Order: sequence, then C-alpha cells, then structure tokens
Amino acid sequence: SSELTQPPSVSVSPGQTARIICSGDALSKQFAYWYQQRPGQAPSLVIYKDTQRPSGIPERFSGSTSGTTVTLTISGVQPEDEADYYCQSPDNSGPYVLFGGGTKLTVL
Amino acid sequence: QVQLVQSGAEVKTPGASVKVSCRTSGYSFGKYYIHWVRQAPGQGLEWMGGGTASAQKFQGRVTMTSDTSTSTVYMELSSLRSEDTAVYYCARPMFSGNSREAFDIWGQGTLVTVSS
Repeated sequence: SSELTQPPSVSVSPGQTARIICSGDALSKQFAYWYQQRPGQAPSLVIYKDTQRPSGIPERFSGSTSGTTVTLTISGVQPEDEADYYCQSPDNSGPYVLFGGGTKLTVL
Repeated sequence: QVQLVQSGAEVKTPGASVKVSCRTSGYSFGKYYIHWVRQAPGQGLEWMGGGTASAQKFQGRVTMTSDTSTSTVYMELSSLRSEDTAVYYCARPMFSGNSREAFDIWGQGTLVTVSS
C-alpha cells in the first residue's frame, strides 16, 4: 500500500541539528514536500521539490533525498522550531496525495 | 495577497451532512485546484480530495464543488459519524493546474464536531 513513514518524535537541544526522515516507495519517483505545524495553526510549507525553500523560510531548513527516503534537516535548531513536521508527496498508484504520520520535534 | 478564508465552526449530529466553504482571493481562481485536508484531534493530516480526485476512504461521501462567480470552493461530507470530528482545511498548491504538490496556501481551518 502507498504510505509515508515518519518517526513519531525527535528531540534535540537548542543549537543542535535535527533530522527528520520520511520513507515510502512513492518517493523514488515523486518529489517530497515538508510542512511545519505549530499548535493551533494551519500547516506551513517549509521545503518543496525535495530540497527547495519557499521564500521566507530560514536557511537552517534544508531537505535531501536518497532513493525512497527523504530527510528534513534543521541546523542550529531554535526554540521556535518546536512543532509537528509532516512529509507529503503525490501517490504513484493513483491521483491521490500522501501525508506522513507526522513527527513531533521537541527542543529540549 | 493570496488568501483562503473558511466558514465557521459547525456542530452536527451523526448521519447529517456538513458543507464547508473556502473563499479564495488574490489569484486567478480557475488556474488552481483547491484540496481538502482534515486533522482529527491530536492526529495527523489526512488528505480528503482535490483536483479531480478524492481519497478512496471518502469516495461516495465527499463532494467538492466550486462557484466561479464568488471564487469559492465547497466541501460537503455526508453520513457524518463521530470519527469525522476534525479540523478541515482547504489548501492551494504552489503550482497551477491539476497539481498534488506543495500546498503553500492554507485556510484557517474549520472545526466540525459530530456529536449526538
């Protein structure tokens, strides 16, 4: 079945590097997208087409890809980066959209 | 600027239907398909449909329509059950056409509560 898999949680101290992995077969042929969602807010796009940053997104956010896995890297994590992060891609098996289960980033 | 403004919170009884609106502005309405994503309390994001497709889970229960005269998109979900209690978002892709990628503009969300 088509799905994207993320770890439920990642914890880092301020200033450290956080890496959130997303895996799924669809990612071998489709671009990945990453969203940040703070409590009580709508999601916000932070990475598109695997590695591109929308305007206004800090340079500490970056994306990479390898085979069926994509990674969101946040370098020099700030307290305001504490949020839920979701990966997303189009589904290869039909005209659908896939979301990962989400990863809660905790800044210790 | 580009905006999506959704209708207000709804409370429905099981078996009823709900219709959520998403009023768009700031761009050429016909060039982009709006998608719908929901989030149950404490849960992740779940795609419902958009463009010319809907998720298999919702087929037969979800209807997406649009009114070009007011640049408004609607999502109607029928046969509601308690598990449909969620915040419902409309979202616009970054790319025009029938895109399933890069949702860069989101509505503020509409809470739908299903309770007897």
